[in-house]
Amino acid sequence: DTGVSQNPRHKITKRGQNVTFRCDPISEHNRLYWYRQTLGQGPEFLTYFQNEAQLEKSRLLSDRFSAERPKGSFSTLEIQRTEQGDSAMYLCASSKTGVNTIYFGEGSWLTVV
Amino acid sequence: GENVEQHPSTLSVQEGDSAVIKCTYSDSASNYFPWYKQELGKRPQLIIDIRSNVGEKKDQRIAVTLNKTAKHFSLHITETQPEDSAVYFCAASIRTGTASKLTFGTGTRLQVTL
Repeated sequence: DTGVSQNPRHKITKRGQNVTFRCDPISEHNRLYWYRQTLGQGPEFLTYFQNEAQLEKSRLLSDRFSAERPKGSFSTLEIQRTEQGDSAMYLCASSKTGVNTIYFGEGSWLTVV
Repeated sequence: GENVEQHPSTLSVQEGDSAVIKCTYSDSASNYFPWYKQELGKRPQLIIDIRSNVGEKKDQRIAVTLNKTAKHFSLHITETQPEDSAVYFCAASIRTGTASKLTFGTGTRLQVTL
């Protein structure tokens, strides 16, 4: 499967713990996006990378959230000191420069208990 | 920033009937409008998209129309089938030199009944 790959697919964590999600984009896609989706809502933009550079961050991305894409390939999204309100599906997506189409991964479900 | 509104939130049609979902956007600079289909627990999948220099686009049973003046766009599904049942999201983006992040609507749950 050469699509966008995310892991873990599901994560249950206790409030206050840190979690990290990984995203492997479609190869040769230099743009990588993170979105968050809660039940009954559309995906909400969190942040975006062009190669290794993080070019834009949403106001939704509080100080407890950090995303990296160190070598311009895979990306990680870390949430520190998780809160119940962080429970959501975290979607990663990728695209090529000059092409509008954004391809999504299957998402990583986070449940904070 | 951009705001996208989507209606209706739920839509039930009989197999073979047509379904129409409507979206409005707020930022006149938006120039790319994709539609995604999301089945329960699955990834959003692009089904059709339209750019601002085009008024209508069709792909088999699916069509999208865009009215830039009124800032609204619509998804039309003809001859609906049970496998069309899913949540559909419209989205809009402003294509700049370095970014094309999407702003999504709140989704329409389409139920196609036999």
